[in-house]
Amino acid sequence: AQSVSQHNHHVILSEAASLELGCNYSYGGTVNLFWYVQYPGQHLQLLLKYFSGDPLVKGIKGFEAEFIKSKFSFNLRKPSVQWSDTAEYFCAVTSYSGGGADGLTFGKGTHLIIQP
Amino acid sequence: GAVVSQHPSRVICKSGTSVKIECRSLDFQATTMFWYRQFPKKSLMLMATSNEGSKATYEQGVEKDKFLINHASLTLSTLTVTSAHPEDSSFYICSAMGRYEQYFGPGTRLTVT
Repeated sequence: AQSVSQHNHHVILSEAASLELGCNYSYGGTVNLFWYVQYPGQHLQLLLKYFSGDPLVKGIKGFEAEFIKSKFSFNLRKPSVQWSDTAEYFCAVTSYSGGGADGLTFGKGTHLIIQP
Repeated sequence: GAVVSQHPSRVICKSGTSVKIECRSLDFQATTMFWYRQFPKKSLMLMATSNEGSKATYEQGVEKDKFLINHASLTLSTLTVTSAHPEDSSFYICSAMGRYEQYFGPGTRLTVT
């Protein structure tokens, strides 16, 4: 069975600070990895995803993540955060099934607060 | 981007009654939809995979007779919580599989009194 661990449940930063949110997963096979964001009162939105290829993936709103297979990690980063980045961030994984659709296993989420 | 809607957004029901939640993909067809449950301060938990025209696949520990799923068309999946109890109170979120990613609905807050 897959599992996802997010190290930080609550993070408070000042504007312009750099951000790194940790994510580790547990699964022995090939995986697809995702980061989702949920702004207050809104739907889950996809920030970025990794399927294959370049392990450094860039997403929307200046976010990026690096897949390190040897560490089973997929940490999310942003060099300079803004107040509007205040949200809940979820790391998720699904096993690769050759094109089939699989449900996601989510981490518990990180509540990020950016102070002006 | 692709839009997924859920109806109702909030529902309050009495213990022992059944509640139906709809999930619609508004501008694309989805052969596969997923139902998740989100507990307070916890992550989303996959409940079941809904495939159009076939029986849903339930995750371990999810009672299929309690959480009935029907995926009757390429744009609609329904989740019916039967004989609801207070412990079923939760936030239920659906997603629809697009070409490369899942698109999530806004969720339905169910409160069972």
